[in-house]
This record gives sequence, structure tokens and C-alpha cells, in this order.
Amino acid sequence: DTEVTQTPKHLVMGMTNKKSLKCEQHMGHRAMYWYKQKAKKPPELMFVYSYEKLSINESVPSRFSPECPNSSLLNLHLHALQPEDSALYLCASSQDFDGETQYFGPGTRLLVL
Amino acid sequence: SQQGEEDPQALSIQEGENATMNCSYKTSINNLQWYRQNSGRGLVHLILIRSNEREKHSGRLRVTLDTSKKSSSLLITASRAADTASYFCATDNNNDMRFGAGTRLTVKP
Repeated sequence: DTEVTQTPKHLVMGMTNKKSLKCEQHMGHRAMYWYKQKAKKPPELMFVYSYEKLSINESVPSRFSPECPNSSLLNLHLHALQPEDSALYLCASSQDFDGETQYFGPGTRLLVL
Repeated sequence: SQQGEEDPQALSIQEGENATMNCSYKTSINNLQWYRQNSGRGLVHLILIRSNEREKHSGRLRVTLDTSKKSSSLLITASRAADTASYFCATDNNNDMRFGAGTRLTVKP
């Protein structure tokens, strides 16, 4: 299984809502990543988990809260988002946190109203 | 933040032609990778070239790396309409991976 899955595919939420994005991989990868991508821009790294521990937090606002329940799962909890947070949220995984190939999920397209 | 700059920003060619995309970066790197992204979808890894390598091939893809000029190029030979996508370079410097701005390639049938 060489796939990273993300749910939901699309999400519309109001600024007062609480929602979660989910990411799953069964490749035995020990590093998992969250990226944010705006239209016609490159992905921007948000968080990195290595061996289920948060390794990098790229100064992301606290309204985004990552969670890694186990080595296969990565969640991104959303609360009190702003319209400018609307974007494609991509999850990725790699064998280790070593700068090698990352495998990306299809993304969740988020719209904040 | 972004590390690589890619040019051109957009490239439109006819099927069968070759497509060349360039990537320049600023800091030293361990490796450089190229990814492809179809519209609004996840990224697909194409090829990784290490800092001590100068050229790498994979099928119709050829990647070069010039660390003295801090630049890389991706050549797609005999392009197909299905190659239409955005192509990003990504540089790794001690596990800090940054994506370039990307080149939007359109291959007309």
C-alpha cells in the first residue's frame, strides 16, 4: 500500500465551527507532514511529526492544532478559522524525517465562510 | 517560506516537443527533488537528485543539477497531453524542504 489518504475531500465551514482533517498512511512511514497550498502557489509547510512527536511548527496560528494519535494517523484540528485560511491542505509522509521522498495525499479543499 | 525560484512560470508546447523547466535556489542543499501536481490534487514525486550527482534519468525525464550555480533543470522529452500539470522543485537542507514557485506546463494535443 503506497497511498496516503485524506478525508474529507472537501470541507466548508463557518468561522465559529470546529472541524478536523484526517490523514492516514500504512507504509510504515515515521514522518508525516501538513502543508497548506493556496491557488497557483507552492505548498507551504505547516507541521512535521517524526516518530509521533511534533518536530516542526512553522509558526502556524493556534487555530490550527495538529495531532498524531499513532504512527499511521495525522489529524489537523481547525477552530475559529478565517476566510483567508481557505486553501488546499495536503498531508504527506516519508520513511523518516530525512529530506527524502515524500508521498502526498490528494488533499482536502477547505472553504471558510 | 519559498526557497526555489522556477522559470518559466508557464510553458505551453505542442505534443511531441520537449519541455525544459529550471529551478534556482539560494542555500546549500542535500538533495533536490521534482514533483508534479495535477490541478488541485496531491503532489507526485518524480525524481530525486543528490548534491553529489550531476544528472539523473527516469523514463522521459532528465534532471540536471549544478551546485556551483545553485540551479537544476527538468527536461521532459516527447511530451504528451497527459504531461499537462504544474511542476515544482523542492530543495532539502538538513530536513528543511522548501518548494519552488512551480512551472505550469500545458501540452497541446
